[in-house]
Amino acid sequence: KAGVTQTPRYLIKTRGQQVTLSCSPISGHRSVSWYQQTPGQGLQFLFEYFSETQRNKGNFPGRFSGRQFSNSRSEMNVSTLELGDSALYLCASSPGQVNSANEKLFFGSGTQLSVL
Amino acid sequence: GENVEQHPSTLSVQEGDSAVIKCTYSDSASNYFPWYKQELGKRPQLIIDIRSNVGEKKDQRIAVTLNKTAKHFSLHITETQPEDSAVYFCALSWTGLTGGGNKLTFGTGTQLKVEL
Repeated sequence: KAGVTQTPRYLIKTRGQQVTLSCSPISGHRSVSWYQQTPGQGLQFLFEYFSETQRNKGNFPGRFSGRQFSNSRSEMNVSTLELGDSALYLCASSPGQVNSANEKLFFGSGTQLSVL
Repeated sequence: GENVEQHPSTLSVQEGDSAVIKCTYSDSASNYFPWYKQELGKRPQLIIDIRSNVGEKKDQRIAVTLNKTAKHFSLHITETQPEDSAVYFCALSWTGLTGGGNKLTFGTGTQLKVEL
């Protein structure tokens, strides 16, 4: 099985712009989670999508949003970029069952976003 | 919400020695404790996990122990090898999430260096 695929691998944007990142989960996986990784803050949970619905949300401002499509692929969007949004954005997929929890997460390689 | 502290932030050991990384948490409702390994420039990968109904789990040279009373869990690596050099993250979650799901809170990471 192919692993979790994230595109693009690298992105450079300027302040005020918006960006969309894409994540294709492992085939058959229905849950997709997004994490922000920075040297100072480590990995922080953004949100999780399951069956095209946001199932859990972290403590990020509304500029961070996401969605999931019927084929379980997910996108996250960051609007009005700030310098502090520079980070590695990781997505992770898991099999996903209704009311399941604490499944093993399979991470993608991430999208490295630089905001200038 | 959940909070987890991880120590040490860096750890240097000689090849063949043991390495121990400890994490402490505050929320007694936490009941799932995975450990992830992230090699330089690569994606985080789950190496072992433990649930709150178990006190210890072993997988070859890796073991995790959990002390629910004291609210800490530890990763033990025996007979360390150069390929064990990486950043190790502890994480935790709990199954009280409405509708289930996966929402991990990560520690800040431990840079392990195994020297020849």
